[in-house]
Amino acid sequence: GAVVSQHPSWVICKSGTSVKIECRSLDFQATTMFWYRQFPKQSLMLMATSNEGSKATYEQGVEKDKFLINHASLTLSTLTVTSAHPEDSSFYICSAISGGNTGELFFGEGSRLTVL
Amino acid sequence: AQTVTQSQPEMSVQEAETVTLSCTYDTSESDYYLFWYKQPPSRQMILVIRQEAYKQQNATENRFSVNFQKAAKSFSLKISDSQLGDAAMYFCACFNNDMRFGAGTRLTVKP
Repeated sequence: GAVVSQHPSWVICKSGTSVKIECRSLDFQATTMFWYRQFPKQSLMLMATSNEGSKATYEQGVEKDKFLINHASLTLSTLTVTSAHPEDSSFYICSAISGGNTGELFFGEGSRLTVL
Repeated sequence: AQTVTQSQPEMSVQEAETVTLSCTYDTSESDYYLFWYKQPPSRQMILVIRQEAYKQQNATENRFSVNFQKAAKSFSLKISDSQLGDAAMYFCACFNNDMRFGAGTRLTVKP
């Protein structure tokens, strides 16, 4: 199956700093990527949908100035957590779709962010 | 947007027995897809089974099968001959333009 790679898988940062998480589709072109946030023992909550070359669409309650999403190419989307605070600590998962509305999603391994 | 409800936070099954995980969903769309994903402690999302809403036939994948009741908007997962490796969090999901997940069911398999 198709492969989606996330990096870093684990990051620790100080409060007030910014952290960038990359999501790459390794063997296909991802026209659309989704970013999810998962708190311990909870479900995946959709944060935003990003389409290559256009602005991301954020879900209600997600601060777009806090969580900057860039989808500059068909194989790379980035999530930048700006001015991170301890409450931003979470597990972030990206997923990618290769095209069409077939529901064929491929998930990254996830990135665990800890803000001290 | 579509919503997905899983009413069983935890389920337990004896090894080699059968267990059914429940899921209901709500969407105003006629074209959508339904999924069950498994999430082990590694947190990697693993696709268990997929169902196209336009197909009446229930999807099956080896020991995993679904009971898709479109009118009732119900999509349950049956795991037959449960194995220790089946223990994980199971998420039901619905896709239409984006993927939405249920709250999840933690499955324990007893030896």
